Amino acid sequence: GPKVLQIPSHQIIDMGQMVTLNCDPVSNHLYFYWYKQILGQQMEFLVNFYNGKVMEKSKLFKDQFSVERPDGSYFTLKIQPTALEDSAVYFCASSLGGGNTLYFGEGSRLIVV
Amino acid sequence: QQKVQQSPESLSVPEGGMASLNCTSSDRNFQYFWWYRQHSGEGPKALMSIFSDGDKKEGRFTAHLNKASLHVSLHIRDSQPSDSALYFCAASERQGGRALIFGTGTTVSVSP
Repeated sequence: GPKVLQIPSHQIIDMGQMVTLNCDPVSNHLYFYWYKQILGQQMEFLVNFYNGKVMEKSKLFKDQFSVERPDGSYFTLKIQPTALEDSAVYFCASSLGGGNTLYFGEGSRLIVV
Repeated sequence: QQKVQQSPESLSVPEGGMASLNCTSSDRNFQYFWWYRQHSGEGPKALMSIFSDGDKKEGRFTAHLNKASLHVSLHIRDSQPSDSALYFCAASERQGGRALIFGTGTTVSVSP
């Protein structure tokens, strides 16, 4: 089936540093998403993105977070500066159109120390 | 308050048995529902979507939607050990790439 690739799979970073999580969505998909999951619990929506713009963001999407997809390259989630509570697995997803099924990557495990 | 609640929190089923999962939304704007499954160490994968009242069957999986009560269920027939996973109900307000909100999750364990 369609594959969403996420890089890196794991990252350990010092609190206060910047981190960029990269996502290579399914090639013809148009909608992109980031979710946060702590300790294998609930998947929490962060943000969705379409046509170069953020469509919606949740309260978890703090001012320190930003997303972009410059010129069809990776869809990125940047956290600057990082905080201890940002430790989690971050999942990228993409969908072909609105209302279509989301396809998720395998996640990027972020540990902030 | 969670907008999408699932029950039970965990469920043990013998191999070959039936697993029944429930999901209730507190937001009447949610009209589109999915069931996702997540195996340990992996990302969630969609099992099926259901948008209309009634039943929808795909293989061993049957979903049921009642929009009036905002209740969705998933039944897994002839459960296999490979069905052991975390199951999420997810809901969206409308089509158009809107946020997909996940439920609290049900952990299913199928014992041989």
